[in-house]
Amino acid sequence: DAKTTQPNSMESNEEEPVHLPCNHSTISGTDYIHWYRQLPSQGPEYVIHGLTSNVNNRMASLAIAEDRKSSTLILHRATLRDAAVYYCILRDVRGSTLGRLYFGRGTQLTVWP
Amino acid sequence: DGGITQSPKYLFRKEGQNVTLSCEQNLNHDAMYWYRQDPGQGLRLIYYSQIVNDFQKGDIAEGYSVSREKKESFPLTVTSAQKNPTAFYLCATRVAGTRDSPLHFGNGTRLTVT
Repeated sequence: DAKTTQPNSMESNEEEPVHLPCNHSTISGTDYIHWYRQLPSQGPEYVIHGLTSNVNNRMASLAIAEDRKSSTLILHRATLRDAAVYYCILRDVRGSTLGRLYFGRGTQLTVWP
Repeated sequence: DGGITQSPKYLFRKEGQNVTLSCEQNLNHDAMYWYRQDPGQGLRLIYYSQIVNDFQKGDIAEGYSVSREKKESFPLTVTSAQKNPTAFYLCATRVAGTRDSPLHFGNGTRLTVT
């Protein structure tokens, strides 16, 4: 199973942009890149996902490297509510593995007022 | 209001007792999942089900059992055979049959076994 590597922690000031990196050097052609975030004592929340092209939604942007071996989640203006653990996950949509996601430890984002 | 309900939020049991965690959804999603999370760790897949009356083992199924008699419900039983049952348990759902639909998570049940 393809794995991801993320920094254990990052910090940001409120209203500044945040770039959360993720390395996935063993990614296969069918792996989607998913990002989720988790607040303390809550279930993870879907943020964004993509395959090859950069993606934007109301929560964040996802920048995917041309070789797909890395990606970056971009929060354009961090707020205190964005403080959470962010998980970068590869999801293989082939065959029997459809729907399985493999969560690592993620990146703990601290946002300072 | 559509969503996933996990109950109870906190659960305490004595060692050697079986305990069943509830997961109910009204999102009309076909696929349901159970994950376990230990402090400072990511999520590990216990069991998943993509259709009623069918389920598959995940990566850490030993000591757990599930049933899927209804589309809305996917209860998880933590048996006395599970060596380290104290953990945060998360239920998730998604729309099956689509290539990349996201997971939707409940707010979890924190199980403590002493």
